[in-house]
Amino acid sequence: GQSLEQPSEVTAVEGAIVQINCTYQTSGFYGLSWYQQHDGGAPTFLSYNALDGLEETGRFSSFLSRSDSYGYLLLQELQMKDSASYFCAVRDSPWAGSYQLTFGKGTKLSVIP
Amino acid sequence: DADVTQTPRNRITKTGKRIMLECSQTKGHDRMYWYRQDPGLGLRLIYYSFDVKDINKGEISDGYSVSRQAQAKFSLSLESAIPNQTALYFCATSVPTGTSGPLGTGELFFGEGSRLTVL
Repeated sequence: GQSLEQPSEVTAVEGAIVQINCTYQTSGFYGLSWYQQHDGGAPTFLSYNALDGLEETGRFSSFLSRSDSYGYLLLQELQMKDSASYFCAVRDSPWAGSYQLTFGKGTKLSVIP
Repeated sequence: DADVTQTPRNRITKTGKRIMLECSQTKGHDRMYWYRQDPGLGLRLIYYSFDVKDINKGEISDGYSVSRQAQAKFSLSLESAIPNQTALYFCATSVPTGTSGPLGTGELFFGEGSRLTVL
């Protein structure tokens, strides 16, 4: 089975940097994804890490350490519109015959002035 | 227009009623999914389908059934709705990870959600 842990809530100041951590315990691992969901909206894809290291996309970066079963999402130059829930999700190993995503419970980020 | 469309967007029903949530997509993706979202529990997979002839149970399939009528259509049914099935339901699509190379993201594309309330 799969188990993902991420903080339930984080508060940060506009313009600051915030890191949302995700640790996982899985029977197989193919990659770690991050999704953003605004209240009342649909989740939208942010990033994906299959290999160790940092992936950068504009103000957002995502990091993975497979040896530590750990990843994080880094948001820089926070804006009010970044207030949302952020979900990490693990993809099963393809050798398990499955490409399902298992989602964490989400981290609600509140950006304050 | 949305690439992944869910109907209805909101539905209130009574215990014991049969409910169908429909999903259609114009993205041309083979893979389709139904997720359920409850506050504090994240997204949990109900069923998924990799093509028209392939249906697979997810983490929480009990009490639900699905039908893949065509590549573009995937419906979720609650044969006899109960109050603890009150939730926000999302349909999603994806391309196979191998389509975009061995490191393909397998990105999910979600519909806008269907909010179901069972009284």
